[in-house]
Amino acid sequence: EIVLTQAPGTLSLSAGERATLSCRASQSVSSSLAWFQQKPGQAPRLLIYAASSRATGIPDRFSGSGSGTDFTLTITRLEPEDFAVYYCQYYGPTLNTFGQGTKLEIK
Amino acid sequence: EVHLLESGGDLVQPGGSLRLSCAASGFTFSTYPMSWVRQAPGKGLEWVSAISGSGDITYYTDSVKGRFTIFRDNSKSTLYLQMSSLRAEDTATYYCAKDGSIEKTFASWGQGTLVTVSS
Repeated sequence: EIVLTQAPGTLSLSAGERATLSCRASQSVSSSLAWFQQKPGQAPRLLIYAASSRATGIPDRFSGSGSGTDFTLTITRLEPEDFAVYYCQYYGPTLNTFGQGTKLEIK
Repeated sequence: EVHLLESGGDLVQPGGSLRLSCAASGFTFSTYPMSWVRQAPGKGLEWVSAISGSGDITYYTDSVKGRFTIFRDNSKSTLYLQMSSLRAEDTATYYCAKDGSIEKTFASWGQGTLVTVSS
């Protein structure tokens, strides 16, 4: 079983700052790693797939990096609408696993 | 434009059964794998089950194996989740999600339907 651990649990920043979110896998997931954003009362939205590819319509201030077991989601120049919960996800051939989430809140 | 609309969520007693539906439009339904993902109130996301485009291959998370069945009717562009022997811990909003052709993960989501298991 692959376990994804996200850090930090909560990140308090101001608009205009840079956010760095971490996701660590218990074993190598190659590049089969995605990032989702979820706002209260809404369904999740795909931001990044294949560790570093932006999904359609996602602003270029969002970027993903990493491979194997260590991954990072970076948001440069935070906008007010970026404050939300972020999940990483491993998508494998027979199962999917989500991390526990990082809440990005306004400082 | 892809549109996914879940329905069937309800209040059900422990041990009961429920069937969720997800009506799809805006794409060739039979071409894409589909999944169910759930979220307990105030908690994180949990993948539940997935099904191939043809419907002949299915996958489940361990906690629902033997209790939940995913299936699809490609003639109706509809995905289903048959849930039985429901437990309090199955209480959640259930989302259906569509794989992207390039993304190979959940590129599109419905708005969710709430299942509450309580006596």
